[in-house]
Amino acid sequence: AQKITQTQPGMFVQEKEAVTLDCTYDTSDPSYGLFWYKQPSSGEMIFLIYQGSYDQQNATEGRYSLNFQKARKSANLVISASQLGDSAMYFCAMRPHRGAGSYQLTFGKGTKLSVIP
Amino acid sequence: EPEVTQTPSHQVTQMGQEVILRCVPISNHLYFYWYRQILGQKVEFLVSFYNNEISEKSEIFDDQFSVERPDGSNFTLKIRSTKLEDSAMYFCASSVIPTGPNTGELFFGEGSRLTVL
Repeated sequence: AQKITQTQPGMFVQEKEAVTLDCTYDTSDPSYGLFWYKQPSSGEMIFLIYQGSYDQQNATEGRYSLNFQKARKSANLVISASQLGDSAMYFCAMRPHRGAGSYQLTFGKGTKLSVIP
Repeated sequence: EPEVTQTPSHQVTQMGQEVILRCVPISNHLYFYWYRQILGQKVEFLVSFYNNEISEKSEIFDDQFSVERPDGSNFTLKIRSTKLEDSAMYFCASSVIPTGPNTGELFFGEGSRLTVL
């Protein structure tokens, strides 16, 4: 079974500053994928970034980067140059690449990010 | 840009009534999913569907729930006899392929909010 822990229920960041959202995970699967999704107040789930467990480099997508530390089982999301539109819930999720559970994402409880002008 | 569409956006029903939530996945996607999010809580996997059959389901997906792909475009979630605790946002998602060392990114719809009175 997989488990995702997001210990920050809420975070504040000043506009244009960088912010790190924490995510730790637990799994016994040797190969897995880690995901971050954004959920604005309108409710939809927006895919942000993906990291494979065997990827050598940390994933980056525009202002989003994933600080992947495999030994620590952490996959923190870094948002650079925060914008007001970044205010949303952010969910970390994972799935194993093969075997039982590979069709389903396991989500954390989320972190609510508020960007202050 | 192709997207997953869901209807209705909001449905209010009486306890014990049957509800059908509809989804049109992205046209070239092969794998379909339902997730739910009880207000203020994390997103939970319900079921995945491929090749006209369920590939995985969670403990939440009991006999009250069923899924169907009645034609080439729609994917439905039926709740036979709704309970108060079924009140939640239900998300449909689709992906090209879900497993293996690839992104397996899920594209989510905007959700259907179900309120059971």
